[in-house]
Amino acid sequence: EAGVAQSPRYKIIEKRQSVAFWCNPISGHATLYWYQQILGQGPKLLIQFQNNGVVDDSQLPKDRFSAERLKGVDSTLKIQPAKLEDSAVYLCASSLGAGVSYNEQFFGPGTRLTVL
Amino acid sequence: SQKIEQNSEALNIQEGKTATLTCNYTNYSPAYLQWYRQDPGRGPVFLLLIRENEKEKRKERLKVTFDTTLKQSLFHITASQPADSATYLCALGRDSSYKLIFGSGTRLLVRP
Repeated sequence: EAGVAQSPRYKIIEKRQSVAFWCNPISGHATLYWYQQILGQGPKLLIQFQNNGVVDDSQLPKDRFSAERLKGVDSTLKIQPAKLEDSAVYLCASSLGAGVSYNEQFFGPGTRLTVL
Repeated sequence: SQKIEQNSEALNIQEGKTATLTCNYTNYSPAYLQWYRQDPGRGPVFLLLIRENEKEKRKERLKVTFDTTLKQSLFHITASQPADSATYLCALGRDSSYKLIFGSGTRLLVRP
């Protein structure tokens, strides 16, 4: 079974530039998550999709971050414009979602973003 | 707001010993708690789930306890091996949503 795919693996940009990350979840997983993980911290949820609808985006800085999940499959996360404090690893995860009473999440390898 | 605390200092133990990691939480009533392992440069990998009505769960050399009165979970690795060296994250969830709240993780170093 293929895991969660993410690209690119690394990205270096200057502040105020834009960047986009792509995620392809495990086939059949209804729920998709984007996390931000700053060095030395645990993953922080940015946005959660159930199929192609947003379930939780309470911690997404909406003035600069946006995300979409077209057709309920793969997803993109965009930052525009980037700030120095956005330097982090961006993790995508997926889970079966609806009908499951708990929630084992499967993570991709992450995209390491460096903002200079 | 909810808070999850894991030991920020690395746990350094000798191979063959039992490693015990702690996860404490406040201002939250989780329906379940999960433990993940994270290696450098990789995403977290699910290890174990324990529900609020379960006291203990085991899987091979791993054991998790969950005390909702103390608001604490303990994660044990018996007969530890250098390959167990990684960061271990606890995460809390409720049945009403699929959202997980992660702790900051504890780094485990197992010396040969």
